[in-house]
Amino acid sequence: QVQLVQSGAELKKPGASVKLSCTASGYTFTNYYIHWVRQAPGHGLEWMGMINPTGVSIVYAQNFQGRVALTVDTSTDTAYMEVTSLRTEDTAIYYCARVRRFIPPWFDPWGQGTLVTVSS
Amino acid sequence: EIVLTQSPVTLSLSPGERATLSCRASQSIDIRYLAWYQQKPGQAPRLLIYGAFMRASGIADRFSGRASGIPDRFVAGESGTDFTLTIDRLEPEDFALYHCQYYDGSHLCTFGQGTKLDI
Repeated sequence: QVQLVQSGAELKKPGASVKLSCTASGYTFTNYYIHWVRQAPGHGLEWMGMINPTGVSIVYAQNFQGRVALTVDTSTDTAYMEVTSLRTEDTAIYYCARVRRFIPPWFDPWGQGTLVTVSS
Repeated sequence: EIVLTQSPVTLSLSPGERATLSCRASQSIDIRYLAWYQQKPGQAPRLLIYGAFMRASGIADRFSGRASGIPDRFVAGESGTDFTLTIDRLEPEDFALYHCQYYDGSHLCTFGQGTKLDI
């Protein structure tokens, strides 16, 4: 079945970087976009950006430009997101999602999420 | 910037009742880009509705989406600001957090703040 499996929980200090992974299975990786969304404790969903696994396009949400880098490895069907200069307010669950390229678009499925805790 | 406002913040109902959740956009949006997700505690969001009214695979027909004043079919250029998720005959497993989302298919994506459906 189609699934996205994300890497395990991370504990980081302020100022550090973290690189999360999202491994896809059950479908052709390059036929769908991968998006990243985070959810801080007690908050709603916040979109961070997207990557076309063919490498043709990457888009970052304005709030994360310059601090987030999205990459893919098509040999392992894995997407990565690196977040630099971590702050305590970056503590959140980070999700990846498979996204249909055509209209109407949808996000399905989502990975199980990776908890990133930023604390000194 | 498009802002989605969901109401109510919390909705308290009983099994068997009907739930009506609202999502209002700060400006008129193409209905094809409006989706709804369900999220249970400790779980990732799950797609319910996309294109304002199309049910995702495996989603019970108790769940329905509407765009106010717009019929449930895609017509080029149909847009609106008021969207509704209706859940008929509530089951215990329906009590969860619901998010609406606008994604324009390229570079713009935003979520509402969520509606918690409580028993």
